[in-house]
Amino acid sequence: GENVEQHPSTLSVQEGDSAVIKCTYSDSASNYFPWYKQELGKGPQLIIDIRSNVGEKKDQRIAVTLNKTAKHFSLHITETQPEDSAVYFCAASYSGGGADGLTFGKGTHLIIQP
Amino acid sequence: DAGVIQSPRHEVTEMGQEVTLRCKPISGHNSLFWYRQTMMRGLELLIYFNNNVPIDDSGMPEDRFSAKMPNASFSTLKIQPSEPRDSAVYFCASSLGAASGASGANVLTFGAGSRLTVL
Repeated sequence: GENVEQHPSTLSVQEGDSAVIKCTYSDSASNYFPWYKQELGKGPQLIIDIRSNVGEKKDQRIAVTLNKTAKHFSLHITETQPEDSAVYFCAASYSGGGADGLTFGKGTHLIIQP
Repeated sequence: DAGVIQSPRHEVTEMGQEVTLRCKPISGHNSLFWYRQTMMRGLELLIYFNNNVPIDDSGMPEDRFSAKMPNASFSTLKIQPSEPRDSAVYFCASSLGAASGASGANVLTFGAGSRLTVL
């Protein structure tokens, strides 16, 4: 089955600086890579996703890059703000054949220092 | 839509008791997932259903765990008997299954979770 590794487990950055979280996956058949943000006491919420037919996707201050050859993908947050403090999860899955379940990384606790 | 609805939000029970967690998926979604979250193991997929049929239950830890989806708007996760190591936050999520071909397929929407403490 799929295995997703995520680094770092904790990331502390100054407000206004950029944050980068990296993930690797093991199953070359995976073709869908979402990122979820989880705030305290809440369920994870999708913030951005990328499918294997593109290498980069951007949505305002967040962007995701994908390298299928190396089997890794990254989340980039620019101009970080206090409300970006949360736990971020990457995930991977194969979209098709009924295999719909996401495999998640262990999460990164992002702390934005004022 | 009110999103994915889970109940109870918190449950404290004693070892050996039966626990039933409930989930109402988003109307129109045909895939439903149960995840367990712990500090040590992160988010683990326990089981998922497509069109009310269990597709993959390989993540269910042992026979004490069972899940049902009697109709498109309701699912339960049952633990009997419960043990202290079952203490975790259990999340239900729903989506339009990938096979639907719809844009946004595979996008999971999570409920707020059920925090279970087994003493």
